[in-house]
Amino acid sequence: QVYLVQSGAEVKKPGASVKVSCKASGYTFTSRYIHWVRQAPGQGLEWMGIINPIGGNSTYAQKFLGRVTTTRDTSTSTVYMDLGSLRSEDTAVYYCARANSRSSRSAFDIWGQGTMVTVSS
Amino acid sequence: DIQMTQSPSTLSASVGDRVTITCRASQSISSWLAWYQQKPGKAPKLLIYKASSLQDGAPSRFSGSGSGTEFTLTISSLQPDDIAIYYCQQYNSYWTFGQGTKVEIK
Repeated sequence: QVYLVQSGAEVKKPGASVKVSCKASGYTFTSRYIHWVRQAPGQGLEWMGIINPIGGNSTYAQKFLGRVTTTRDTSTSTVYMDLGSLRSEDTAVYYCARANSRSSRSAFDIWGQGTMVTVSS
Repeated sequence: DIQMTQSPSTLSASVGDRVTITCRASQSISSWLAWYQQKPGKAPKLLIYKASSLQDGAPSRFSGSGSGTEFTLTISSLQPDDIAIYYCQQYNSYWTFGQGTKVEIK
């Protein structure tokens, strides 16, 4: 069975950073890109970025450039998403999701359970 | 950026009804379109990819069609378990989601 298991909920103050982890299992970690998607309370889905587990290179949505960094650890099959300069509008559930093919041009077939990040003073 | 627009925003139908949701792209995306189902408190679930390919495990009452800029998701016979929000997503150029369609039982 293929799983993506994310780290637990976080509460952060404005201006702080948060790092969310996403541990993959049940497949060859380097065979599929991993994406990050967020969902603010009661809102829709917003794509944040993609990481290639082979080389670790990432591409981010314009909105998050300069604030988000994604990394990976191939020894533990884990991807990390670091979001800085947090503001209240960043309060959301953050999901990691796997590409459904070896191509970067893919839909997302496996999702993590989500990590709630609350930004509040 | 490619914008995705879904209609309707909310849909109310009876069990057994045929239900159709439309998704329009602001420019051509060929067939690089997916549909997801999301239930409250859960992660989205992939139903359809490449506009019309049914994801393994998705019920056969779900089908997708379209290409270019106009796409549809059809539920052939609405079931109580289909109550959810449905999102389209383009992956022709980066990744963008529609705003969602909430499906309710009448």
